[in-house]
Amino acid sequence: DAGVIQSPRHEVTEMGQEVTLRCKPISGHNSLFWYRQTMMRGLELLIYFNNNVPIDDSGMPEDRFSAKMPNASFSTLKIQPSEPRDSAVYFCASSLGSGEGEKLFFGSGTQLSVL
Amino acid sequence: GENVEQHPSTLSVQEGDSAVIKCTYSDSASNYFPWYKQELGKRPQLIIDIRSNVGEKKDQRIAVTLNKTAKHFSLHITETQPEDSAVYFCAASNGDYKLSFGAGTTVTVRA
Repeated sequence: DAGVIQSPRHEVTEMGQEVTLRCKPISGHNSLFWYRQTMMRGLELLIYFNNNVPIDDSGMPEDRFSAKMPNASFSTLKIQPSEPRDSAVYFCASSLGSGEGEKLFFGSGTQLSVL
Repeated sequence: GENVEQHPSTLSVQEGDSAVIKCTYSDSASNYFPWYKQELGKRPQLIIDIRSNVGEKKDQRIAVTLNKTAKHFSLHITETQPEDSAVYFCAASNGDYKLSFGAGTTVTVRA
């Protein structure tokens, strides 16, 4: 298994532009998570999907952020319009989803820089 | 919600010495405590985890201990090696999907 696959690895964009981050979870995993990592705030959970359904989006910073999971093998995180304070590493992670506290498998992350 | 505090924030040890990282949690219902290692520019990866029905778990040079009464758990790395240099994160959950992460400890192993 190739693990959790994220793209792009790096994204540099200008303020106001739309940014789309992509994730392919591990096949068979029912839970998918989007995290944001910054020096100041550490690892923050943005949104959690279970069986493609958003269960908890309380961590999404504001309406500029949206996430979708149209099927079990693909998810996107979109920022529109982007702002410099959105600069961070965004990780996607997946787990089996049995709901009993489980091992998270992280993707390689997307390093986002908004100028 | 759960609040996880992690200490120290940085730790420098001589190769071959031991390293200990401590975390405390606030939610007495928490029952799952994983530790993740993140090398520079890489993804976090699980290195060991413990559930509340166990007081200690060991895997080669790493071990984790849990004190439910005091609500703290610790990571112990023995015989440290240069490849142990990384950021280590503790986390806690009450068995559902939501992991609360500590702020991380940057461990540097000096050769």
